[in-house]
Amino acid sequence: QVHLEQSGAEVKKPGASVKVSCKVSGDPPNEPLIHWVRQAPGEGLEWMGGFDPEERKTIYAQQFEGRVTMTEDTSTDTVYMELRSLRSEDTAVYYCASRGHEYSNHFYYYGMDVWGLGTTVTVS
Amino acid sequence: AIQMTQSPSSLSASVGDRVTITCRASRGIRNDVTWFQQKPGRAPKLLIYAASNVPSGVPSRFRGSGSARDFTLTISGLQPEDSATYYCLQDYDYPWTFGQGTKVEV
Repeated sequence: QVHLEQSGAEVKKPGASVKVSCKVSGDPPNEPLIHWVRQAPGEGLEWMGGFDPEERKTIYAQQFEGRVTMTEDTSTDTVYMELRSLRSEDTAVYYCASRGHEYSNHFYYYGMDVWGLGTTVTVS
Repeated sequence: AIQMTQSPSSLSASVGDRVTITCRASRGIRNDVTWFQQKPGRAPKLLIYAASNVPSGVPSRFRGSGSARDFTLTISGLQPEDSATYYCLQDYDYPWTFGQGTKVEV
């Protein structure tokens, strides 16, 4: 079972950058597919981006293009989400989530079934 | 981007009731819809994937259905612990998009 541990809360000034980490542990049967979702206070869920195994690259939501980078350090099984040029509207809880999947001639997906606890980012 | 129109935005029901939440996609998305439950201060929890598949550990009172543009989450035999906000998500095309959420009060 995959477990995702996220880094602690951050307070940043407008214009700064934040880098949130998501450490993958457990015994995943295959390469975890990590996505990022955020939730502003009192608002709904917003998908930011994630790794597509069929395209073999990370896909970003257009509204974050140029401001966000998602990377992976395979030596520590840690995924990072960096958001730059922060503004007050980026104040939110940021979640990493793992998309369950398996491959047998083609990919089968089982939804984002494991989530981190979330990282609160405050821009003020 | 594909829009997911979710309704109602909120509802109140009693223990034992059956409730239905719907999501309509702005265009056909096969059966590429997942449903999540979120309680205050908690991360979302996966309830349904591929429109109608229930992951192990999710109570059988949760059922998903639909294809193409119209999707439904049904909770049969509502329980007090089902008080939460429910979201649909289309993962058919990028960017993935969520519905606006339905707050369920039991």
